[in-house]
Amino acid sequence: GQSLEQPSEVTAVEGAIVQINCTYQTSGFYGLSWYQQHDGGAPTFLSYNALDGLEETGRFSSFLSRSDSYGYLLLQELQMKDSASYFCAVMLNSGGYQKVTFGIGTKLQVIP
Amino acid sequence: EPEVTQTPSHQVTQMGQEVILRCVPISNHLYFYWYRQILGQKVEFLVSFYNNEISEKSEIFDDQFSVERPDGSNFTLKIRSTKLEDSAMYFCASMKGGQPQHFGDGTRLSIL
Repeated sequence: GQSLEQPSEVTAVEGAIVQINCTYQTSGFYGLSWYQQHDGGAPTFLSYNALDGLEETGRFSSFLSRSDSYGYLLLQELQMKDSASYFCAVMLNSGGYQKVTFGIGTKLQVIP
Repeated sequence: EPEVTQTPSHQVTQMGQEVILRCVPISNHLYFYWYRQILGQKVEFLVSFYNNEISEKSEIFDDQFSVERPDGSNFTLKIRSTKLEDSAMYFCASMKGGQPQHFGDGTRLSIL
């Protein structure tokens, strides 16, 4: 079967750095994505890794290790507006088409 | 930048009535998805659509649900006889092959 694990909640201080981990067990894996969702809003695409290593987009970076079935999202210089839920999502080749499976989401609370 | 658009933003319906939720995916995307998110819970996969047919559906997507791509632009989700537990946010997403998904802003469905 397929599974994704990420922490349910994280609290961090404004200005600090926080890392949200995601581990997965899947077949047909071809990439890991991260999405941000504010309460009442839609998931917004943040970052995508198809290859091992670090992808940097401004204050946000994402890392993937395919051999370890592990990735993380790194948020730097945290701002209050970063308080949201963050979902990792694995992208899979499945029976000739492509599917995406989401984790349960990590609720990040940024405190002053 | 192209967007996935969904209408209506909020739908209120009496239990037992039929509803149709509409989505216009990004024009050159090939894969289309519907997701559901009950308040406070994770994003749940409903159905994926590729090459003019359903490629996968979840256990949630029972006989009450159907999807259609009636023309070259719209992608609809129909719930035939709504139940109270169908109250949720419904998100449409689309993607090109090998790329992350892009989500619409969602339709909030309230069943009375």
